[in-house]
Amino acid sequence: SAVISQKPSRDICQRGTSLTIQCQVDSQVTMMFWYRQQPGQSLTLIATANQGSEATYESGFVIDKFPISRPNLTFSTLTVSNMSPEDSSIYLCSVLAGGLGGELFFGEGSRLTVL
Amino acid sequence: SQQGEEDPQALSIQEGENATMNCSYKTSINNLQWYRQNSGRGLVHLILIRSNEREKHSGRLRVTLDTSKKSSSLLITASRAADTASYFCASGYSSASKIIFGSGTRLSIRP
Repeated sequence: SAVISQKPSRDICQRGTSLTIQCQVDSQVTMMFWYRQQPGQSLTLIATANQGSEATYESGFVIDKFPISRPNLTFSTLTVSNMSPEDSSIYLCSVLAGGLGGELFFGEGSRLTVL
Repeated sequence: SQQGEEDPQALSIQEGENATMNCSYKTSINNLQWYRQNSGRGLVHLILIRSNEREKHSGRLRVTLDTSKKSSSLLITASRAADTASYFCASGYSSASKIIFGSGTRLSIRP
């Protein structure tokens, strides 16, 4: 299993600002992902955070808007840049335990509200 | 759309009845997982079924996987009020090393 700590847990942000979300895992993991869950919706994969290289982004998400860092196997950050009200969402860090065939573990999420 | 399909979108049943929700995915998978999410809360992992398995049980949960139809179903037997939640399937795609969630089913259990 894996225990994931995310911060901030929630924040209220002004339009045009940027916010960085941190994700700390209690063990070394190869595969780490960032998801977004908008109100009343399912989870949408933003990107796969790759250790030591650039993140792999899904269609509709770009590095300029959602830069991701992954300096080591236990830590990652997601920045939501130049925020607008449409970015109001829960952002979730998750890791796969045991490789692609294993269970996906989630942090508690970061609930962002953009005014 | 990134997300797999789930149906029904919403399901309301009487307590004690069985609830069945279905999930379809797009390409070959390593495994498929089901999660529950209570309103405003985090995701709870329910069960994982591997691509070489056809059926799996855990308590009142039964999951089936049909790789020829690229679909899975989650059956909750003898439903309880506490089962009221949203349920999501998550497909582990071997070719792309990522996990994609279905659109979800909102289950309501009437007392």
